[in-house]
Amino acid sequence: RKEVEQDPGPFNVPEGATVAFNCTYSNSASQSFFWYRQDCRKEPKLLMSVYSSGNEDGRFTAQLNRASQYISLLIRDSKLSDSATYLCVVNMGASGGSYIPTFGRGTSLIVHP
Amino acid sequence: NAGVTQTPKFRVLKTGQSMTLLCAQDMNHEYMYWYRQDPGMGLRLIHYSVGEGTTAKGEVPDGYNVSRLKKQNFLLGLESAAPSQTSVYFCASSYLGQPQHFGDGTRLSIL
Repeated sequence: RKEVEQDPGPFNVPEGATVAFNCTYSNSASQSFFWYRQDCRKEPKLLMSVYSSGNEDGRFTAQLNRASQYISLLIRDSKLSDSATYLCVVNMGASGGSYIPTFGRGTSLIVHP
Repeated sequence: NAGVTQTPKFRVLKTGQSMTLLCAQDMNHEYMYWYRQDPGMGLRLIHYSVGEGTTAKGEVPDGYNVSRLKKQNFLLGLESAAPSQTSVYFCASSYLGQPQHFGDGTRLSIL
């Protein structure tokens, strides 16, 4: 079982729709969590960090459920420009007290007119 | 402030050739990483470094070597390139537990 799992999609939604992605992780000692966005094999770019209390940035809301070991990303009022691959990242403990980011394979979102 | 810079941007090699990819960051980050990305596979960690002079293996280290002689630079070497190493390579850097900053990638083809 992969340590960080995402539904690859694609999620095909009309403009204005609300869409949600989940990401599950296997290491209960994971410390920090992020959502990245990646366009057309360009470099991943940070979308938002995910905090225990949940956090919102405009149309985007991220939540963390430690008990069930998943994080979620909600996008409201989808725009054409939201079409991209969304990567879930979980920082997992490694030897020597370091934390190593582990990426999910990404969820593809296609927003159509 | 350039962030993370990767060189070269593109390269074509013949099987058996060697080369070095350079990653440089100007954010004084302790952590640096090399990933490869292949279709349908997501980002896979090759090697990483938690500080100057230290390196560690990631998920797919075979066929690659790395060095971090200076804090700002992380080099990825291919000693004898193989077609299976055709990929897009991304370098990233971060502080401990913080979000990573990525370079814009190196597209490497091995014939």
